[in-house]
Amino acid sequence: NAGVTQTPKFQVLKTGQSMTLQCAQDMNHEYMSWYRQDPGMGLRLIHYSVGAGITDQGEVPNGYNVSRSTTEDFPLRLLSAAPSQTSVYFCASSRTTGNYEQYFGPGTRLTVT
Amino acid sequence: TQLLEQSPQFLSIQEGENLTVYCNSSSVFSSLQWYRQEPGEGPVLLVTVVTGGEVKKLKRLTLQFGDARKDSSLHITAAQPGDTGLYLCAGDFGNEKLTFGTGTRLTIIP
Repeated sequence: NAGVTQTPKFQVLKTGQSMTLQCAQDMNHEYMSWYRQDPGMGLRLIHYSVGAGITDQGEVPNGYNVSRSTTEDFPLRLLSAAPSQTSVYFCASSRTTGNYEQYFGPGTRLTVT
Repeated sequence: TQLLEQSPQFLSIQEGENLTVYCNSSSVFSSLQWYRQEPGEGPVLLVTVVTGGEVKKLKRLTLQFGDARKDSSLHITAAQPGDTGLYLCAGDFGNEKLTFGTGTRLTIIP
């Protein structure tokens, strides 16, 4: 099993550009989520999904969109990148709900100039 | 928004020493998880505690959940360089989502 995979590993965007961060898991987990990690701020929940076709907002959803068309994939879209979105982004999955053990991907380091 | 405070923020000790890091909240947790994150990687679960007063031992790690379920501690005995990393606590406040603390960055000096 590959677990949770994320692409790309690194990305540099200019302000106003859009992009999609990819996330996939092969553990047949129902719950998937996106977090951002900033120095001194811990991990903050952006969006989450409890199953295919169902998504909901987390703590810091503004500027991001998600969709969950399959159990395996949960892409995160930045609509119009801003310097405040410079961060490390982690995708995670868990067997059922968000309070079970989270399996994290390796992260995407995004810089917006 | 529930807050989890972790202390200390940074800790640097010599190999072989013992250490304790803390996680505190003003709200009650339904459950609490501890993760360790190494540079360039995602966090990995160490342990979950769910019962007030619970103590779990994993080799050189001892995790304790406070009686009131508002705090937790992680004790490492005879620290090794491989223990270096960012230690994160994550609490479930009953909404089936995790709130993460800001972390303790631990460095073990050989």
